Amino acid sequence: GAGVSQSPRYKVTKRGQDVTLRCDPISSHATLYWYQQALGQGPEFLTYFNYEAQPDKSGLPSDRFSAERPEGSISTLTIQRTEQRDSAMYRCASSSGVGAGETQYFGPGTRLLVL
Amino acid sequence: AQSVTQLDSQVPVFEEAPVELRCNYSSSVSVYLFWYVQYPNQGLQLLLKYLSGSTLVESINGFEAEFNKSQTSFHLRKPSVHISDTAEYFCAVSDTNAGKSTFGDGTTLTVKP
Repeated sequence: GAGVSQSPRYKVTKRGQDVTLRCDPISSHATLYWYQQALGQGPEFLTYFNYEAQPDKSGLPSDRFSAERPEGSISTLTIQRTEQRDSAMYRCASSSGVGAGETQYFGPGTRLLVL
Repeated sequence: AQSVTQLDSQVPVFEEAPVELRCNYSSSVSVYLFWYVQYPNQGLQLLLKYLSGSTLVESINGFEAEFNKSQTSFHLRKPSVHISDTAEYFCAVSDTNAGKSTFGDGTTLTVKP
Protein backbone atom coordinates (compact mmCIF):
# COMPACT_ATOMS: atom_id res chain seq x y z
CA GLY A 1 0.00 0.00 0.00
CA ALA A 2 0.92 3.66 -0.09
CA GLY A 3 1.75 3.83 3.59
CA VAL A 4 1.67 1.84 6.79
CA SER A 5 -1.83 1.25 8.09
CA GLN A 6 -2.97 0.02 11.47
CA SER A 7 -6.29 -1.17 12.76
CA PRO A 8 -8.22 -0.51 14.79
CA ARG A 9 -7.26 3.10 15.42
CA TYR A 10 -8.87 2.99 18.86
CA LYS A 11 -9.64 0.04 21.09
CA VAL A 12 -11.34 0.06 24.47
CA THR A 13 -11.40 -3.22 26.32
CA LYS A 14 -11.98 -4.53 29.79
CA ARG A 15 -9.23 -5.87 31.96
CA GLY A 16 -8.68 -9.57 31.35
CA GLN A 17 -9.81 -9.55 27.73
CA ASP A 18 -7.52 -10.42 24.83
CA VAL A 19 -6.88 -7.88 22.07
CA THR A 20 -5.29 -8.20 18.65
CA LEU A 21 -3.83 -5.25 16.80
CA ARG A 22 -3.05 -5.30 13.11
CA CYS A 23 -0.36 -3.67 11.02
CA ASP A 24 -0.22 -3.58 7.24
CA PRO A 25 3.25 -2.36 6.18
CA ILE A 26 4.36 -0.75 2.95
CA SER A 27 4.13 -3.58 0.46
CA SER A 28 7.78 -3.77 -0.57
CA HIS A 29 9.18 -3.52 2.95
CA ALA A 30 11.01 -6.46 4.48
CA THR A 31 11.23 -5.23 8.04
CA LEU A 32 8.41 -4.47 10.46
CA TYR A 33 8.69 -3.05 13.98
CA TRP A 34 6.28 -2.79 16.89
CA TYR A 35 6.59 -0.08 19.53
CA GLN A 36 4.63 0.78 22.67
CA GLN A 37 4.25 4.43 23.59
CA ALA A 38 2.91 5.43 26.98
CA LEU A 39 1.45 8.88 27.45
CA GLY A 40 4.16 11.50 27.68
CA GLN A 41 6.93 9.15 26.66
CA GLY A 42 8.67 8.14 23.48
CA PRO A 43 8.04 4.90 21.63
CA GLU A 44 9.63 1.85 23.23
CA PHE A 45 10.75 -1.08 21.09
CA LEU A 46 8.76 -4.29 21.46
CA THR A 47 9.85 -6.57 18.63
CA TYR A 48 10.70 -6.65 14.95
CA PHE A 49 10.39 -8.97 11.95
CA ASN A 50 12.59 -9.50 8.95
CA TYR A 51 10.02 -10.97 6.57
CA GLU A 52 8.44 -13.73 8.69
CA ALA A 53 11.44 -14.21 10.97
CA GLN A 54 11.36 -12.55 14.39
CA PRO A 55 15.03 -12.01 15.33
CA ASP A 56 14.42 -9.84 18.38
CA LYS A 57 11.51 -9.85 20.77
CA SER A 58 13.47 -8.61 23.74
CA GLY A 59 11.18 -5.64 24.25
CA LEU A 60 7.99 -7.61 24.82
CA PRO A 61 7.13 -6.79 28.45
CA SER A 62 5.69 -10.18 29.38
CA ASP A 63 4.61 -13.49 27.94
CA ARG A 64 1.12 -12.03 27.56
CA PHE A 65 2.44 -10.17 24.52
CA SER A 66 3.06 -11.96 21.25
CA ALA A 67 3.43 -10.96 17.62
CA GLU A 68 3.20 -12.77 14.30
CA ARG A 69 3.98 -12.11 10.68
CA PRO A 70 3.28 -15.51 9.13
CA GLU A 71 3.57 -14.57 5.46
CA GLY A 72 6.09 -11.80 5.81
CA SER A 73 3.53 -9.08 5.18
CA ILE A 74 0.73 -8.19 7.61
CA SER A 75 1.57 -8.49 11.29
CA THR A 76 -0.55 -8.83 14.39
CA LEU A 77 0.28 -7.99 17.99
CA THR A 78 -1.79 -9.87 20.55
CA ILE A 79 -2.07 -9.00 24.19
CA GLN A 80 -3.66 -11.69 26.33
CA ARG A 81 -5.40 -11.03 29.63
CA THR A 82 -5.01 -7.28 29.27
CA GLU A 83 -4.12 -5.17 32.29
CA GLN A 84 -4.63 -1.46 32.86
CA ARG A 85 -0.89 -0.86 32.53
CA ASP A 86 -1.14 -2.08 28.91
CA SER A 87 -3.01 1.13 28.03
CA ALA A 88 -0.83 2.93 25.49
CA MET A 89 -0.40 3.85 21.87
CA TYR A 90 0.91 0.91 19.87
CA ARG A 91 2.91 1.94 16.84
CA CYS A 92 3.97 -0.12 13.87
CA ALA A 93 6.72 0.87 11.46
CA SER A 94 8.24 -0.70 8.39
CA SER A 95 11.50 -0.26 6.50
CA SER A 96 12.83 -1.59 3.23
CA GLY A 97 15.86 -3.23 4.86
CA VAL A 98 16.99 -4.42 8.24
CA GLY A 99 19.98 -2.13 8.66
CA ALA A 100 20.07 0.21 11.61
CA GLY A 101 20.31 3.22 9.30
CA GLU A 102 17.16 2.42 7.38
CA THR A 103 14.35 4.93 7.56
CA GLN A 104 11.35 3.60 9.45
CA TYR A 105 7.90 4.58 8.17
CA PHE A 106 5.31 4.71 10.91
CA GLY A 107 1.62 3.99 10.84
CA PRO A 108 -0.95 6.16 12.65
CA GLY A 109 -0.95 3.90 15.71
CA THR A 110 -3.60 2.08 17.70
CA ARG A 111 -4.62 3.70 20.96
CA LEU A 112 -5.52 0.98 23.47
CA LEU A 113 -7.43 1.74 26.64
CA VAL A 114 -7.88 -1.03 29.18
CA LEU A 115 -10.60 -0.32 31.73
CA ALA B 1 22.54 -0.29 26.43
CA GLN B 2 21.70 3.02 24.88
CA SER B 3 19.53 5.89 26.02
CA VAL B 4 18.30 9.22 24.76
CA THR B 5 17.57 12.32 26.79
CA GLN B 6 15.57 15.20 25.39
CA LEU B 7 16.23 17.97 27.82
CA ASP B 8 13.11 20.05 27.21
CA SER B 9 9.61 18.60 27.22
CA GLN B 10 7.98 21.84 26.04
CA VAL B 11 9.45 24.63 23.92
CA PRO B 12 7.22 27.63 23.19
CA VAL B 13 8.55 30.16 20.68
CA PHE B 14 7.20 32.99 18.59
CA GLU B 15 6.95 32.74 14.85
CA GLU B 16 10.16 33.62 12.98
CA ALA B 17 12.28 33.12 16.09
CA PRO B 18 15.16 30.61 16.14
CA VAL B 19 14.76 27.37 18.01
CA GLU B 20 16.98 24.60 19.35
CA LEU B 21 15.66 21.27 20.59
CA ARG B 22 18.26 19.47 22.61
CA CYS B 23 19.10 15.77 22.47
CA ASN B 24 21.82 13.85 24.27
CA TYR B 25 22.46 10.15 23.96
CA SER B 26 24.53 7.49 25.60
CA SER B 27 25.80 4.35 23.94
CA SER B 28 28.75 2.02 24.23
CA VAL B 29 28.92 1.44 20.48
CA SER B 30 28.70 3.42 17.27
CA VAL B 31 25.26 4.82 16.59
CA TYR B 32 23.03 6.30 13.99
CA LEU B 33 20.96 9.30 15.05
CA PHE B 34 17.50 10.40 13.97
CA TRP B 35 14.97 13.13 14.50
CA TYR B 36 11.31 12.25 13.93
CA VAL B 37 8.39 14.68 13.89
CA GLN B 38 4.77 14.04 14.75
CA TYR B 39 2.29 16.65 13.55
CA PRO B 40 -1.11 16.79 15.30
CA ASN B 41 -3.24 13.74 14.50
CA GLN B 42 -0.54 12.15 12.34
CA GLY B 43 2.03 9.37 12.72
CA LEU B 44 5.75 9.84 13.26
CA GLN B 45 7.77 10.71 10.19
CA LEU B 46 11.49 11.02 9.69
CA LEU B 47 12.81 14.59 9.71
CA LEU B 48 16.53 13.89 9.27
CA LYS B 49 19.20 11.37 10.16
CA TYR B 50 22.93 11.08 10.67
CA LEU B 51 24.61 7.91 9.48
CA SER B 52 28.19 8.96 8.69
CA GLY B 53 30.22 11.62 6.94
CA SER B 54 29.41 15.29 7.48
CA THR B 55 28.30 15.89 11.02
CA LEU B 56 25.77 18.51 9.92
CA VAL B 57 22.60 17.13 8.37
CA GLU B 58 19.67 19.08 7.00
CA SER B 59 16.02 18.49 6.30
CA ILE B 60 14.00 19.78 3.37
CA ASN B 61 12.02 22.20 5.54
CA GLY B 62 14.92 24.13 7.02
CA PHE B 63 15.80 22.12 10.12
CA GLU B 64 19.36 21.00 10.74
CA ALA B 65 21.11 18.90 13.35
CA GLU B 66 24.76 18.48 14.18
CA PHE B 67 26.29 15.28 15.48
CA ASN B 68 28.77 16.05 18.23
CA LYS B 69 30.54 12.89 19.28
CA SER B 70 32.53 14.42 22.13
CA GLN B 71 29.40 15.88 23.70
CA THR B 72 27.21 12.93 22.66
CA SER B 73 24.63 15.37 21.35
CA PHE B 74 22.44 15.72 18.29
CA HIS B 75 20.61 19.02 18.80
CA LEU B 76 17.98 20.12 16.28
CA ARG B 77 17.92 23.74 15.14
CA LYS B 78 15.97 26.03 12.86
CA PRO B 79 16.87 29.69 12.37
CA SER B 80 13.28 30.87 11.82
CA VAL B 81 10.23 28.80 12.72
CA HIS B 82 6.74 28.84 11.22
CA ILE B 83 3.37 28.17 12.77
CA SER B 84 3.32 24.93 10.77
CA ASP B 85 6.36 23.65 12.67
CA THR B 86 4.17 23.14 15.73
CA ALA B 87 4.55 19.44 16.47
CA GLU B 88 6.17 16.91 18.76
CA TYR B 89 9.78 16.08 17.95
CA PHE B 90 11.49 12.82 18.91
CA CYS B 91 15.21 12.13 18.93
CA ALA B 92 16.23 8.49 18.42
CA VAL B 93 19.41 6.43 18.32
CA SER B 94 20.10 3.06 16.72
CA ASP B 95 23.00 0.77 17.41
CA THR B 96 24.79 0.31 14.08
CA ASN B 97 24.69 -3.46 14.58
CA ALA B 98 20.98 -3.77 15.24
CA GLY B 99 17.78 -2.44 13.80
CA LYS B 100 15.87 -1.31 16.84
CA SER B 101 15.76 2.34 17.82
CA THR B 102 15.70 3.94 21.26
CA PHE B 103 13.62 7.10 21.43
CA GLY B 104 13.64 10.08 23.73
CA ASP B 105 10.45 11.20 25.44
CA GLY B 106 9.81 13.95 22.92
CA THR B 107 9.79 17.75 22.86
CA THR B 108 6.60 19.61 22.07
CA LEU B 109 7.38 22.67 19.97
CA THR B 110 4.63 25.27 20.00
CA VAL B 111 5.03 28.18 17.62
CA LYS B 112 2.93 31.19 18.53
CA PRO B 113 1.98 34.07 16.22
